[in-house]
Amino acid sequence: NAGVTQTPKFQVLKTGQSMTLQCAQDMNHNSMYWYRQDPGMGLRLIYYSASEGTTDKGEVPNGYNVSRLNKREFSLRLESAAPSQTSVYFCASTPLAGGLYTQYFGPGTRLTVL
Amino acid sequence: TQLLEQSPQFLSIQEGENLTVYCNSSSVFSSLQWYRQEPGEGPVLLVTVVTGGEVKKLKRLTFQFGDARKDSSLHITAAQPGDTGLYLCAGSNTGGFKTIFGAGTRLFVKA
Repeated sequence: NAGVTQTPKFQVLKTGQSMTLQCAQDMNHNSMYWYRQDPGMGLRLIYYSASEGTTDKGEVPNGYNVSRLNKREFSLRLESAAPSQTSVYFCASTPLAGGLYTQYFGPGTRLTVL
Repeated sequence: TQLLEQSPQFLSIQEGENLTVYCNSSSVFSSLQWYRQEPGEGPVLLVTVVTGGEVKKLKRLTFQFGDARKDSSLHITAAQPGDTGLYLCAGSNTGGFKTIFGAGTRLFVKA
């Protein structure tokens, strides 16, 4: 089992460019999450998908869109990147929605927006 | 808005020393988790505590959930260089989909 995989690992964008971050899990989990991690601010939830076919906003959704493509895959799209979106992005999954479950994280995507 | 504050933010100690990391909130949480994150990787769960006053041990790590379920601590005995990393606490509530993370304590253990 690979667990949670993310691509790409690193990305540099210019302001205004768009890109999609990919995430896939092979644990048959129902719920998936996108976080961003910034120095001194911990992990902040961008969007989550409690189950296939549903998505909801988290704490910091502005500037992002998501797609739950199927049970395995959950992508995060930046339509017009801004320097404030420079961050490390983590995808996570849980068997079911809810905080009692262990969150399994991917290795992260380090994004720089110039 | 629920917040989790961790202290200290940074800790550098010698191998063999003991340390305690704190996670505090003004809000009550149904459960609290501790994760460890190494450079270039995602966080990995260490423990989940759900009962006020609960104490859990994981080898040299001891986790405690406060009686009022508003705070937690992580105590490491005889720290080793392999304990180096970012320790994150995370709180959640029953029925909620969102987990609140603290900013983390970065621990460096020198050999």
